[in-house]
Amino acid sequence: DVKVTQSSRYLVKRTGEKVFLECVQDMDHENMFWYRQDPGLGLRLIYFSYDVKMKEKGDIPEGYSVSREKKERFSLILESASTNQTSMYLCASSTPGGRVYEQFFGPGTRLTVL
Amino acid sequence: DQQVKQNSPSLSVQEGRISILNCDYTNSMFDYFLWYKKYPAEGPTFLISISSIKDKNEDGRFTVFLNKSAKHLSLHIVPSQPGDSAVYFCAAVSGNTPLVFGKGTRLSVIA
Repeated sequence: DVKVTQSSRYLVKRTGEKVFLECVQDMDHENMFWYRQDPGLGLRLIYFSYDVKMKEKGDIPEGYSVSREKKERFSLILESASTNQTSMYLCASSTPGGRVYEQFFGPGTRLTVL
Repeated sequence: DQQVKQNSPSLSVQEGRISILNCDYTNSMFDYFLWYKKYPAEGPTFLISISSIKDKNEDGRFTVFLNKSAKHLSLHIVPSQPGDSAVYFCAAVSGNTPLVFGKGTRLSVIA
């Protein structure tokens, strides 16, 4: 069974802290994505990666960075957390060779920044 | 500029009746469309998809219809069940690019 795991389900951090959100997939997928979900705004793409050490900005990259040192792992970094980054963060992966375009999502990390 | 729009934030349907969720898109380059279902505190899960070369795809109680000329697709759930209560996201894609998601529609199926 395919699996995308995220390091934490719930996280509480303070303003100004550096925050790391980790995502691991066991499907040998090339593509990995980070989204945030907010009420009324749907899923917004933060960053994505098509290969190791590659990264592309999504629609809302400001305040975030990413790291992809290994194929199975994609990390989202909040350099200095702010209250407006309180959100549900979702990681996803996909492969161009799999069922066409389907993205598999992790369970999400609910981040609260105080 | 929203390329994928779900204009109804919420929908309530009685158990056993049909649920119809709508989605409009603006980018004529989209060639594949997907529906995802999301329960609270869980990640979205894939539900059903349709290629732009088709106008209908059916999977059990779920059917997706695509009207390319109107740039419109819809998801029909028949019969609706209480377990279908969730947020449904429409998504579209062109080639190997990230999915573009709508804002979602919250479906409530009332017993």
